[in-house]
Amino acid sequence: ILNVEQSPQSLHVQEGDSTNFTCSFPSSNFYALHWYRWETAKSPEALFVMTLNGDEKKKGRISATLNTKEGYSYLYIKGSQPEDSATYLCAFRVGNEKLTFGTGTRLTIIP
Amino acid sequence: DSGVTQTPKHLITATGQRVTLRCSPRSGDLSVYWYQQSLDQGLQFLIQYYNGEERAKGNILERFSAQQFPDLHSELNLSSLELGDSALYFCASSTGVAKNIQYFGAGTRLSVL
Repeated sequence: ILNVEQSPQSLHVQEGDSTNFTCSFPSSNFYALHWYRWETAKSPEALFVMTLNGDEKKKGRISATLNTKEGYSYLYIKGSQPEDSATYLCAFRVGNEKLTFGTGTRLTIIP
Repeated sequence: DSGVTQTPKHLITATGQRVTLRCSPRSGDLSVYWYQQSLDQGLQFLIQYYNGEERAKGNILERFSAQQFPDLHSELNLSSLELGDSALYFCASSTGVAKNIQYFGAGTRLSVL
């Protein structure tokens, strides 16, 4: 059974502050690590797909890093804005296409 | 808009009944995935189809079945419904190759009373 863990479960951050959270996954049989952003009442939206150890991806104020040897990925948000409030999901993929999702980090930005 | 269409948006039914959830993938996507999200649980993978064939199976109950039709739309059939089947059911699609980003529909919220 693949275990993908995300921490913290929830986070409150003041607008303008930067924040980060963690996704831990099995370090064996790694194929890819996906990050999704899920706003309430909407569908999960793909942020990044990371495949190589040491990968770093960036999209605006959001960036992510990947360490496949130790089995973790960090998601960073710089200068948080109210629209960043969402649940951030990571998902681990082995050789096939199936994604195993973590339970997410629920981020709330306080204006 | 992800391009993945799920119908209906909401479904309310009684225990013991049978329902069908429908998903139309993004144009050009050959893979369709079904996920279940129950209260306090992460997205649980149920089943995947690729170009009409079952490709991978997850924690799908025997009372549940799915298929993908020649036009690539997919249906998830849930039968002998129980209270615990109440959940948000998502469909996602992908090309099935390369980085395999999955694009999610808006989900069907099923309430079993």
